[in-house]
Amino acid sequence: KQEVTQIPAALSVPEGENLVLNCSFTDSAIYNLQWFRQDPGKGLTSLLLIQSSQREQTSGRLNASLDKSSGRSTLYIAASQPGDSATYLCAVRGGGATNKLIFGTGTLLAVQP
Amino acid sequence: SQTIHQWPATLVQPVGSPLSLECTVEGTSNPNLYWYRQAAGRGLQLLFYSIGIGQISSEVPQNLSASRPQDRQFILSSKKLLLSDSGFYLCAWNKELSTDTQYFGPGTRLTVL
Repeated sequence: KQEVTQIPAALSVPEGENLVLNCSFTDSAIYNLQWFRQDPGKGLTSLLLIQSSQREQTSGRLNASLDKSSGRSTLYIAASQPGDSATYLCAVRGGGATNKLIFGTGTLLAVQP
Repeated sequence: SQTIHQWPATLVQPVGSPLSLECTVEGTSNPNLYWYRQAAGRGLQLLFYSIGIGQISSEVPQNLSASRPQDRQFILSSKKLLLSDSGFYLCAWNKELSTDTQYFGPGTRLTVL
């Protein structure tokens, strides 16, 4: 059974700092891994999608890496801003036809101005 | 462009009452549709998914049900709510099962008293 863990559960950093969020998964047989952002009381916004054949994806100040063999992914946020404050969720898509996403419980990020 | 709507945004219901949450997608046809629940302190859990009208698959046994009466409409229902049904319900859609990210709606906050 696939399990996804995110560390740390919460993180507070001063504005301008670079930071790394971690995601680990127990079954390396995945199709892809995604990082989402969730603002309080809101839906999820997709940030980056990494296919199993890829090593990393970049979008603006965000860079996500994937090491499928070790069951790990990181989300790197450069030059953090208060507007980056949110919960960050990673999710892996396993095998089968359902496109079922298994989510971690998230990292709550607070960027202090 | 595609948009996804959910209503109501918030709902407070007594135990034992019925439930109907609605999700609609605009700007696309024949989407895959998903219902997730996010309970306090827990990650998102897939409840139901649908690949077409009238085609519903259940991921977790529970007192909830789902229906897809139209191509872009997905409904989550219950005949009698339980306290444990409280949570944040998210609807999502995508086109390609294997590679596409999922696009989430704004969510419905359900509190069962």
